[in-house]
Amino acid sequence: QQPVQSPQAVILREGEDAVINCSSSKALYSVHWYRQKHGEAPVFLMILLKGGEQKGHEKISASFNEKKQQSSLYLTASQLSYSGTYFCGTAGSARQLTFGSGTQLTVLP
Amino acid sequence: DAMVIQNPRYQVTQFGKPVTLSCSQTLNHNVMYWYQQKSSQAPKLLFHYYDKDFNNEADTPDNFQSRRPNTSFCFLDIRSPGLGDAAMYLCATSGGPGGGASEQFFGPGTRLTVL
Repeated sequence: QQPVQSPQAVILREGEDAVINCSSSKALYSVHWYRQKHGEAPVFLMILLKGGEQKGHEKISASFNEKKQQSSLYLTASQLSYSGTYFCGTAGSARQLTFGSGTQLTVLP
Repeated sequence: DAMVIQNPRYQVTQFGKPVTLSCSQTLNHNVMYWYQQKSSQAPKLLFHYYDKDFNNEADTPDNFQSRRPNTSFCFLDIRSPGLGDAAMYLCATSGGPGGGASEQFFGPGTRLTVL
């Protein structure tokens, strides 16, 4: 079952912050986050394994609440290069990911 | 550089004419995936291989087949493409235990057009 992402789209100015949410109705083993620019392949950002850990990658971080089966991606002081579509991918006990519907992020100068 | 390569990058075929897309990897990963991505949609998993173990998603049409002759190569065969099969096809790999615990490395994709 496809995880639900919110918001569907967000527009912000360079330097502003954004939060993208991902929730699943299934028990999760892990959550992945990817960014895809138009016409390109998805690029891995980070993976969170069950345990509620929070990870960071420069000014992008994420949290995973396994009890609520939710993850959030935090983008702080956004840069123009952050523009793209963000997908969360969730995995249960199986090896495969199911991707959410995506959040289109546009950063304006 | 270790990478995932897909050929061709663009493929045009006619309705009903079989087509084969290829994927190769230099990462020596044991898991390979094929995804279909339509415009403005999420990638949708078609099937994956864990080593030689083939796993088909329940809703993958029979029209789609796959081969993995060795660790490095994987092929997607579309036996009789329909207009609805026009999409970007993404190949991905992961090492270790697989997609749940390991990041996936995506190739650049093959954009398929069906006339």
